[in-house]
Amino acid sequence: GQNIDQPTEMTATEGAIVQINCTYQTSGFNGLFWYQQHAGEAPTFLSYNVLDGLEEKGRFSSFLSRSKGYSYLLLKELQMKDSASYLCAGGGYQKVTFGIGTKLQVIP
Amino acid sequence: DTGVSQDPRHKITKRGQNVTFRCDPISEHNRLYWYRQTLGQGPEFLTYFQNEAQLEKSRLLSDRFSAERPKGSFSTLEIQRTEQGDSAMYLCASSLGDGELFFGEGSRLTVL
Repeated sequence: GQNIDQPTEMTATEGAIVQINCTYQTSGFNGLFWYQQHAGEAPTFLSYNVLDGLEEKGRFSSFLSRSKGYSYLLLKELQMKDSASYLCAGGGYQKVTFGIGTKLQVIP
Repeated sequence: DTGVSQDPRHKITKRGQNVTFRCDPISEHNRLYWYRQTLGQGPEFLTYFQNEAQLEKSRLLSDRFSAERPKGSFSTLEIQRTEQGDSAMYLCASSLGDGELFFGEGSRLTVL
């Protein structure tokens, strides 16, 4: 299966760096997604990692270790608008399974 | 706009009634997903189509739920004999192969 584990809540300060961790079961795994979801809105795509290593995209970076079943999303220079839920999702060769989401609160 | 569209955006119904949601995916996308999301939870997988074939259906989905994608384009999700526990946001997403999922704005169901 694709059991996804991530913290339910995190708080960080504006301008700081925050790392959101995600672990998953590796059976049937193809790649790992990160999505951002603001309250009352649909999820929006942030990143997709298939190979091990770090991928950087502006203020957001995502890391994957396939052997450890581990990923993280790194957010730099936090802004108030980054307050949202961050969803880790395991892509099987067919369906995509989402975790519960990490609700990030950015405080001044 | 060529994104994923869902209709209706909001539906209020009485317990026991049937409801149907429609999803129009991005035109060239061959995969279509339905998810259900409740407050404070991540999207829960319901079912998945590749073209017109329904390839997987969640074991959590009771027989009251049925989905179709008759011509490999739009899809419908029907819930029969609705229960209060069915109240949720129903999200549709589409993708081209195993790439990024593009989500619609969702259909919010309230069962009274």
